[in-house]
Amino acid sequence: EVQLVESGGGLVKPGGSLRLSCAASGFTFSSYSMNWVRQAPGKGLEWVSSISSSSSYIYYADSVKGRFTISRDNAKNSLYLQMNSLRAEDTAVYYCARDRDQLQFDYWGQGTLVTVSS
Amino acid sequence: QSALTQPRSVSGSPGQSVTISCTGTSSDVGGYNYVSWYQQHPGKAPKLMIYDVSKRPSGVPDRFSGSKSGNTASLTISGLQAEDEADYYCCSYAGSYSDVVFGGGTKLTVL
Repeated sequence: EVQLVESGGGLVKPGGSLRLSCAASGFTFSSYSMNWVRQAPGKGLEWVSSISSSSSYIYYADSVKGRFTISRDNAKNSLYLQMNSLRAEDTAVYYCARDRDQLQFDYWGQGTLVTVSS
Repeated sequence: QSALTQPRSVSGSPGQSVTISCTGTSSDVGGYNYVSWYQQHPGKAPKLMIYDVSKRPSGVPDRFSGSKSGNTASLTISGLQAEDEADYYCCSYAGSYSDVVFGGGTKLTVL
């Protein structure tokens, strides 16, 4: 059974940093591109970042470019999102999601809440 | 990239059919057959219901179907059931891995 479990969310002040993790199991992690998708409270879904299976290709939404860094450790079956210079508008539930093909997300974690507030 | 346009809400009675539209442009929905649909119940993670415009993942009931005409994709749910009440989001690839756009979401109410 495919499982994605996020962790690392919490309350952080504006300008602060946070590192999210996503532990994957039940599939060959190193064979899939992975993504972070977020959802602000009461709002819709927003794609944040994507990383290819071997980390060769990395992409970011304009809203987080230069502030967030996606990475993965295939030996540990883990995906990460380093978030720096956080803003109030980054407040959201962050989901990790597996890419089945062309940014179509077939498995999602349960999400981790990031709250940016003073 | 602008968000894809979905109706904010739709409703139907049990057993009826409803269709949710998702309108984009020739740069996203109209240009690629990589439209996906997600179901999200309150407080839960999204679930993939349709990919590649009209394909269903294993385990998704065949009551759910997808189609596309020009720049508009559609999700049709037939034989509505109470458990179908949820938010539905469309999503389209838009030419590169930094170009993916979601719709604003549609709340389906089963009357």
